Amino acid sequence: EVQLVESGGGLVQPGGSLRLSCAASGFSFSDHYMDWVRQAPGKGLEWVARARSKANSYATEYAASVKGRFTISRDDSQNSLYLQMNSLKTEDTAVYYCTRRSGGSWTFDYWGQGTLVTVSS
Amino acid sequence: DIQLTQSPSFLSASVGDRVTITCRASQGISRYLAWYQQKPGKVPKLLIYDISTLQSGVPSRFSGSGSGTEFTLTISSLQPGDFATYYCQQLNNYPLTFGGGTKVEIK
Repeated sequence: EVQLVESGGGLVQPGGSLRLSCAASGFSFSDHYMDWVRQAPGKGLEWVARARSKANSYATEYAASVKGRFTISRDDSQNSLYLQMNSLKTEDTAVYYCTRRSGGSWTFDYWGQGTLVTVSS
Repeated sequence: DIQLTQSPSFLSASVGDRVTITCRASQGISRYLAWYQQKPGKVPKLLIYDISTLQSGVPSRFSGSGSGTEFTLTISSLQPGDFATYYCQQLNNYPLTFGGGTKVEIK
């Protein structure tokens, strides 16, 4: 059974940092692109970042709203995905979901339960 | 960036109704269009990918169609469990983008 379990969310002051983790199991983690998607309270979905697989040189992509502040990374030996978030802003407040890109299509076929990040003074 | 505009943003319907949601892209996105369902307090669930391919386990009353820049999600006969918010997503270009969502509520 595919499982994605996020952790690391919490309350942080503006300008602060936080590191999110996503523990994956039940599939060959190293074969899949992995993404972070966020959802601000009462709002829609926003794609945040992507980490490609080793076969694609672990290349990364970012939304403009987080580029230069957030860093996505992965450790295939630990079946884990990370999101280092620096210089946090109040508008970064959201539930952050770890997602798996399907091997057969380009869609997000599995999502974690999410971890809430609150940026507030 | 590719903008996805969903309409309507809110829809009130009854059980058994046929429901259609539209997603318009600001430029062509080939076949890389997906639909997700999200119930309150729950995680988004993949319904359809590649415009019209039903994800495994999704009921056949859901269908997707379209091409170019205009796409639709149709629920042929709305069921009680279908009241939710629906999002389209394009995966053709970075940044990957979602539509603003369509909330389907009980009439």
